[in-house]
Amino acid sequence: GNSVTQMEGPVTLSEEAFLTINCTYTATGYPSLFWYVQYPGEGLQLLLKATKADDKGSNKGFEATYRKETTSFHLEKGSVQVSDSAVYFCALLDSSYKLIFGSGTRLLVRP
Amino acid sequence: GAGVSQSPSNKVTEKGKDVELRCDPISGHTALYWYRQSLGQGLEFLIYFQGNSAPDKSGLPSDRFSAERTGGSVSTLTIQRTQQEDSAVYLCASSLAGSKDTQYFGPGTRLTVL
Repeated sequence: GNSVTQMEGPVTLSEEAFLTINCTYTATGYPSLFWYVQYPGEGLQLLLKATKADDKGSNKGFEATYRKETTSFHLEKGSVQVSDSAVYFCALLDSSYKLIFGSGTRLLVRP
Repeated sequence: GAGVSQSPSNKVTEKGKDVELRCDPISGHTALYWYRQSLGQGLEFLIYFQGNSAPDKSGLPSDRFSAERTGGSVSTLTIQRTQQEDSAVYLCASSLAGSKDTQYFGPGTRLTVL
């Protein structure tokens, strides 16, 4: 079945450091891929998405590229801020419109 | 405009009691989804509605769980004879019929079963 695997956290970085959170998927075909973010005490928010191979999703300085060769959708940001501290979830949309999530990666950015 | 709303925000119940969780989707969104977020299982899909019908109930963990949607709007998730393993945050999401890849999530209901 379809599944998403993402790196274990927590990831602890200093402000202005470079961020990468790895995400790989297993799926039939080429599903849409997503990154969701959950800030402390808040609900899930869509951060970015990519709907086909080689698409790059971007938002708020975050980027992720849909790589079908490596079945990956790694999240990157060039310079993190304290306000980026949150839990990040990688997900795919399967053929019956349900989101399948990875286990989440907690990011802690220190000043 | 208003986002997805859920009520109650918190619910504490005793083992064996029934609970009802409510979701109000974004106006005009015909697709509605329930997910569960728990420490042990992460984020998992429960059920999907298109209008008032549920084409996919595959994620409901047992027959104690049921959901309905009326008038193509509000949905209620019911858990009968609650067990401690039902403790979790129950999330609702909605989307436009033509944009099922963009699901908007509500704040969730935190359920604690004592």
